[in-house]
Amino acid sequence: ILNVEQSPQSLHVQEGDSTNFTCSFPSSNFYALHWYRWETAKSPEALFVMTLNGDEKKKGRISATLNTKEGYSYLYIKGSQPEDSATYLCAFASDTGNQFYFGTGTSLTVIP
Amino acid sequence: DAGVTQSPTHLIKTRGQQVTLRCSPKSGHDTVSWYQQALGQGPQFIFQYYEEEERQRGNFPDRFSGHQFPNYSSELNVNALLLGDSALYLCASRSAVSTDTQYFGPGTRLTVL
Repeated sequence: ILNVEQSPQSLHVQEGDSTNFTCSFPSSNFYALHWYRWETAKSPEALFVMTLNGDEKKKGRISATLNTKEGYSYLYIKGSQPEDSATYLCAFASDTGNQFYFGTGTSLTVIP
Repeated sequence: DAGVTQSPTHLIKTRGQQVTLRCSPKSGHDTVSWYQQALGQGPQFIFQYYEEEERQRGNFPDRFSGHQFPNYSSELNVNALLLGDSALYLCASRSAVSTDTQYFGPGTRLTVL
């Protein structure tokens, strides 16, 4: 069983603060790293697919980086807003990329 | 364009019973995966279906089985339910020829009493 770890488990920030979370994954047999945002009672929403070492992706105020050699990815949120409150999940895909291994997520609460 | 849909939303069963959960993939997708999310854990991969066959399977017992239909929709069947099967069951779809990610449905919440 592959181990994917996310930290911190939960986070409370003030509106306007910038924040970041970490996803750690095995550095061998890497295929892709996926980030999702999951709001309560909704479907997980795909944020990024990252495949190359050194990848940096950006979507509005959210960005992510990838280091496959050391096995970690960072997700950054600039100027957090209350609507950013959600659980952020990362998923590691190895070999063919068919099977995703998820972390337990980081729960973000942005306080107005 | 409808995304991934799942039914039912919630389900309550008793130990020993059997359950069937259903999933319709996003338009244009031909590959369906099922995940189980128990309380406090990340989603765990159950299996993936492509061309009506199980292509890959996670670490789940044979009580968990599935099916994919010619229209790419899929069912997850769980026999001889245990209390520990209580979880959120997520379906995800993707296109086999795309490098895009998987898209998830809202899930089915199964409670086993």
